[in-house]
Amino acid sequence: DAGITQSPRHKVTETGTPVTLRCHQTENHRYMYWYRQDPGHGLRLIHYSYGVKDTDKGEVSDGYSVSRSKTEDFLLTLESATSSQTSVYFCAIRRSGGDNEQFFGPGTRLTVL
Amino acid sequence: GQSLEQPSEVTAVEGAIVQINCTYQTSGFYGLSWYQQHDGGAPTFLSYNALDGLEETGRFSSFLSRSDSYGYLLLQELQMKDSASYFCAAPMDSSYKLIFGSGTRLLVRP
Repeated sequence: DAGITQSPRHKVTETGTPVTLRCHQTENHRYMYWYRQDPGHGLRLIHYSYGVKDTDKGEVSDGYSVSRSKTEDFLLTLESATSSQTSVYFCAIRRSGGDNEQFFGPGTRLTVL
Repeated sequence: GQSLEQPSEVTAVEGAIVQINCTYQTSGFYGLSWYQQHDGGAPTFLSYNALDGLEETGRFSSFLSRSDSYGYLLLQELQMKDSASYFCAAPMDSSYKLIFGSGTRLLVRP
């Protein structure tokens, strides 16, 4: 499982509140990714990181920010949650030298009421 | 834009062979990957094709034709546990950010 954990695993929050999701890895992989998964859309990239303090936007980055102050942690923040951000969020890492293989964490189910 | 198209649903019988197709449109091409996802679970990597041809891994094979912008996943000797969603995915660029197809739900019937 490449030592990836996500927290929390489930969260219910209200519109307008800030939310931070955490992805933690234990194998010092350089590349980390945040995706969201919604019915009919597959997985869509929100943000990714290619090293400490090095991050960039993905397809659906509006309303999200990220930070990576340590190799092992990649945080996803919803500054002011909206109902459209209700989704399942997956973190992933890519092992260097692999066949572009990404390993996914168990996911966080977020509901914004 | 970049996109990957795959059928939304496929049904097959236990023990049979099924093929899941994927056509892609990307600004650059860095290979085609396949992922499996069971309900409530995380996606797991199945295969990757960087070059044309067939890659075989046990009961699963994946094929790529770059000239046709097309690939497929072939599942043989289907088992009930193969019922899951299957996604094709392609890196958007050399940073390996993936763009995914919307997924094919495979239902294996007894």
